[in-house]
Amino acid sequence: KAGVTQTPRYLIKTRGQQVTLSCSPISGHRSVSWYQQTPGQGLQFLFEYFSETQRNKGNFPGRFSGRQFSNSRSEMNVSTLELGDSALYLCASSPNAGNQPQHFGDGTRLSIL
Amino acid sequence: QKEVEQDPGPLSVPEGAIVSLNCTYSNSAFQYFMWYRQYSRKGPELLMYTYSSGNKEDGRFTAQVDKSSKYISLFIRDSQPSDSATYLCAMRPGGGADGLTFGKGTHLIIQP
Repeated sequence: KAGVTQTPRYLIKTRGQQVTLSCSPISGHRSVSWYQQTPGQGLQFLFEYFSETQRNKGNFPGRFSGRQFSNSRSEMNVSTLELGDSALYLCASSPNAGNQPQHFGDGTRLSIL
Repeated sequence: QKEVEQDPGPLSVPEGAIVSLNCTYSNSAFQYFMWYRQYSRKGPELLMYTYSSGNKEDGRFTAQVDKSSKYISLFIRDSQPSDSATYLCAMRPGGGADGLTFGKGTHLIIQP
């Protein structure tokens, strides 16, 4: 069974640009969550989607947004990029919403110049 | 005070030793507890998933949760060099309405 797939693996952008990251969950999984990982703050929750609806959101500015499609694939968008947005962005999927184990992909490494 | 505290290490032990990794937390609403292992340039891999207090064993791994002390542990028996990685604890309240809250991870080195 294929795991969580994130594309692209690496991305370089400049300040002020916007970026879209993609996540394909494990087959049959309907819930997708996004996390940001940095050396200083560790792993922080961004948001969770289930059935194309955002269920909950972490403490990030509105520049961070996402969506989920009918096939459960999800995208995350960051607008007006700042240097501090350089991070590893991780996607995790679980079978359903609620208290179920989350399985992570290998992430997209975003570098802002 | 951060919600979840975890010693960053590095923790270096000889091959074959028993490893003990720990996290403390402050939010009494946490009910689901997880341990993840993360290798360099890879995403976190789920090792253990437990609910409320008690012990859970899976192969060489044992997870313990003590909610009265707000303390969780992961024990690794017969440690191998391939266990060298960063170990992250994670937790969430009941109800499933929140994302996971992570510790910052402990860097573990198993010396051959």
